[in-house]
Amino acid sequence: GQNIDQPTEMTATEGAIVQINCTYQTSGFNGLFWYQQHAGEAPTFLSYNVLDGLEEKGRFSSFLSRSKGYSYLLLKELQMKDSASYLCAVRDLPDSWGKLQFGAGTQVVVTP
Amino acid sequence: GAVVSQHPSWVICKSGTSVKIECRSLDFQATTMFWYRQFPKQSLMLMATSNEGSKATYEQGVEKDKFLINHASLTLSTLTVTSAHPEDSSFYICSAHPGSSGANVLTFGAGSRLTVL
Repeated sequence: GQNIDQPTEMTATEGAIVQINCTYQTSGFNGLFWYQQHAGEAPTFLSYNVLDGLEEKGRFSSFLSRSKGYSYLLLKELQMKDSASYLCAVRDLPDSWGKLQFGAGTQVVVTP
Repeated sequence: GAVVSQHPSWVICKSGTSVKIECRSLDFQATTMFWYRQFPKQSLMLMATSNEGSKATYEQGVEKDKFLINHASLTLSTLTVTSAHPEDSSFYICSAHPGSSGANVLTFGAGSRLTVL
């Protein structure tokens, strides 16, 4: 079956770096997404990886290893507003743009 | 950028009544929209794929007669929860993507929180 695992919660202080790991076992693979979701709000897109390696976007970076079924999201220079749930999602079929398999999310708590 | 609007943001209803949730793509046309459901502290689960002008495709375990989906235009999909029960209380989120341009990114609506008493 499909399985996407990520830690439930992580706590870090303002200005620090946090790495959120995601491992997946899916029937196929056509890209991995990271979304940020504040409580009661819609998920917002952060990053997309389809090839192995690191994608950097400002304070956020995402890494993918397809052979290991592994990704991480790196948040640098943490700010209070980064407190949110971070969702790892895999698209397992090539023609199904919206059929994403989501992990349960990692709640990041940023403390002063 | 692509914007998806969802209405209402939250709704409370009595058990046995029906509730309609609307999802609109504001600045692009979406032949396909997607409905997800999220229970507290759980992941988003895809319920169904809404196809403009044709029947929706439901995921395994989702009752099509209970969750009616209508996609009558290229910018509007509706989800009706019929004869709602307390176990249907959840956060319902729709999504769409603007097609070939930026096709990798799925845009989500703000979600609709349903509470069934």
